[in-house]
Amino acid sequence: GENVEQHPSTLSVQEGDSAVIKCTYSDSASNYFPWYKQELGKGPQLIIDIRSNVGEKKDQRIAVTLNKTAKHFSLHITETQPEDSAVYFCAAPARGRGQNFVFGPGTRLSVLP
Amino acid sequence: DAGVTQSPTHLIKTRGQQVTLRCSPKSGHDTVSWYQQALGQGPQFIFQYYEEEERQRGNFPDRFSGHQFPNYSSELNVNALLLGDSALYLCASSPAGRPAFFGQGTRLTVV
Repeated sequence: GENVEQHPSTLSVQEGDSAVIKCTYSDSASNYFPWYKQELGKGPQLIIDIRSNVGEKKDQRIAVTLNKTAKHFSLHITETQPEDSAVYFCAAPARGRGQNFVFGPGTRLSVLP
Repeated sequence: DAGVTQSPTHLIKTRGQQVTLRCSPKSGHDTVSWYQQALGQGPQFIFQYYEEEERQRGNFPDRFSGHQFPNYSSELNVNALLLGDSALYLCASSPAGRPAFFGQGTRLTVV
């Protein structure tokens, strides 16, 4: 089955700087990669996703890049703001029917004012 | 649209007891998945329901069971609770072929 690794586990940046979180996956057949943001006391919220037929996708200050050859994908947040502070999870599809995912262990991002 | 709603939000149970958690999916979503999230970890897939049947199951013992009703709402049942079952239980709903939207979760504490 799929295995997802995520780095770093914690990340502190100054407000206005950029943050990058990287994930690697093991199953070369995986074709869809979502990123979730989880704030304290809340469930994960889908913030951006990418399909394997594109290399990059942007949505305002957030972007995701995918390298299928190396089997890794990254989340990029530019011009970080204090409200970006949260735990971020990457995920990749698990095998079998359904739309279920294997999650990375998470990255705790702290944006310092 | 209320999104995905879960009840209760918090629950304390004694080891050996049984618990039932409930989930109402986002309007128009027919697929419900349940995840367990231990403190400081990513969610782990328990099982998924579609058309009132368990379609896929993760690596969880038979003590974990579920049900989906005709209105797409779902229940997660855990029997013979262990201390290690303490976690945030998340419900995610999706229309077929699209990514999942999560509820706020039920925080289960087993003492």
